[in-house]
Amino acid sequence: EAGVAQSPRYKIIEKRQSVAFWCNPISGHATLYWYQQILGQGPKLLIQFQNNGVVDDSQLPKDRFSAERLKGVDSTLKIQPAKLEDSAVYLCASRAGGFYNEQFFGPGTRLTVL
Amino acid sequence: DQQVKQNSPSLSVQEGRISILNCDYTNSMFDYFLWYKKYPAEGPTFLISISSIKDKNEDGRFTVFLNKSAKHLSLHIVPSQPGDSAVYFCAVLVQGAQKLVFGQGTRLTINP
Repeated sequence: EAGVAQSPRYKIIEKRQSVAFWCNPISGHATLYWYQQILGQGPKLLIQFQNNGVVDDSQLPKDRFSAERLKGVDSTLKIQPAKLEDSAVYLCASRAGGFYNEQFFGPGTRLTVL
Repeated sequence: DQQVKQNSPSLSVQEGRISILNCDYTNSMFDYFLWYKKYPAEGPTFLISISSIKDKNEDGRFTVFLNKSAKHLSLHIVPSQPGDSAVYFCAVLVQGAQKLVFGQGTRLTINP
C-alpha cells in the first residue's frame, strides 16, 4: 500500500513570495490533515478535511494560508505572502474512517523563508 | 496554552537499558493517547496507543503507562536499541473531532 505522498520535499523562498505544497493521501482515506511543525515543536494542526469539506481550520492563518481538497483526494496548501516565521516542515496526514484509526503521515515539505 | 507537554527535550540511554519518556496533559476529558516516532526527513509514524479506560498497554519492547489521576503518560522501551534513536511525540486525540494535539517531542539517543 502506497503511503502519503508530498511534494516538493524542500523549498526555499524569499519573504513575501508565494509557495504551494501538494499532498496525495492514501487511497480511500476520507480524512486529510495539514500540520505545521516548527523546529523544536510538535506538529500543529492547520486544517482538517473530511472528503472535500473543511472540518476544522481554526488554527489556519487565513490572511495568508489557504488550502483546498478538490474531488476529495489530493490537496494543496498555499502560503501567500510568506513570512520568515513560516519556516517549518509542513506535514500532510490521512486517515481512514472509523474511530481511533491512526493517522498516516507523509515525509513533509521543509520550507525555508529567507 | 499547551495541552500536552513533554518536558524533556532530549534523553540519552545506553543500548540494552530501559528508556522512559514522559508526557503530561492538562485536560481530563482526553480519552485516547498515542505515541509517534519520527526519524529525520520522515513523517511521524504511529508507535503505540492507550485508551483512558486502561492503565497499561504493551507491544513487544514498548509499553505505555497511563496515570489518569496525575494526568501523566509514559513510554517505556526495553531493551533500548540503536534503531530506537529518534524523536518521540506523545499526542492526545480530541474526542469527537478526530484530531491530534502533539507534545513538543523528546529526542532519544541510544548509545552503543
